[in-house]
Amino acid sequence: DTAVSQTPKYLVTQMGNDKSIKCEQNLGHDTMYWYKQDSKKFLKIMFSYNNKELIINETVPNRFSPKSPDKAHLNLHINSLELGDSAVYFCASSLGRTDTQYFGPGTRLTVL
Amino acid sequence: GENVEQHPSTLSVQEGDSAVIKCTYSDSASNYFPWYKQELGKRPQLIIDIRSNVGEKKDQRIAVTLNKTAKHFSLHITETQPEDSAVYFCAAHGSSNTGKLIFGQGTTLQVKP
Repeated sequence: DTAVSQTPKYLVTQMGNDKSIKCEQNLGHDTMYWYKQDSKKFLKIMFSYNNKELIINETVPNRFSPKSPDKAHLNLHINSLELGDSAVYFCASSLGRTDTQYFGPGTRLTVL
Repeated sequence: GENVEQHPSTLSVQEGDSAVIKCTYSDSASNYFPWYKQELGKRPQLIIDIRSNVGEKKDQRIAVTLNKTAKHFSLHITETQPEDSAVYFCAAHGSSNTGKLIFGQGTTLQVKP
């Protein structure tokens, strides 16, 4: 009965590669988010979608592109990976924009 | 801009003591303040939240207080246990109705048996 799931859990890749992280929620929520947690544990919002519409687009390099094929899925594609992209990426979802956000298990990305 | 300051960055207490973590926020229109607990290698999990129409909320050993005038809110954990050891994050919803959560820097709580 997983609520918010992400794949993969770990991702190790070389600089310059392109990679994707997938997120799915089975809570029936309308809003989904991507957060980045850096090595100092700081959590920062990157993107948010509400009913497949992009509503938050923080100052993030355009190498990062979110895609929401439907309400239950939000994927994150990263082009030309850089060392500084190494972090844990968390997906989250909430019923509405101002409701409690539930986090996925995270994807630890390591760029070598 | 929107900002949430959290203190202290680390906190060490003896089992059974109380722990208090404090946060201040900059956007006076913020109206929702959740607290998350993150154990090592795990996801942030909501432990308690408060909305701006109340000043205090309690759930067993955990309580949160909110002072809208001063723009600060606090987490209180009583009778701490070793399993309370984790990183705690406060957050505030911005006023833009986008769902954007601004997180504090986190507090690493260590409860010594």
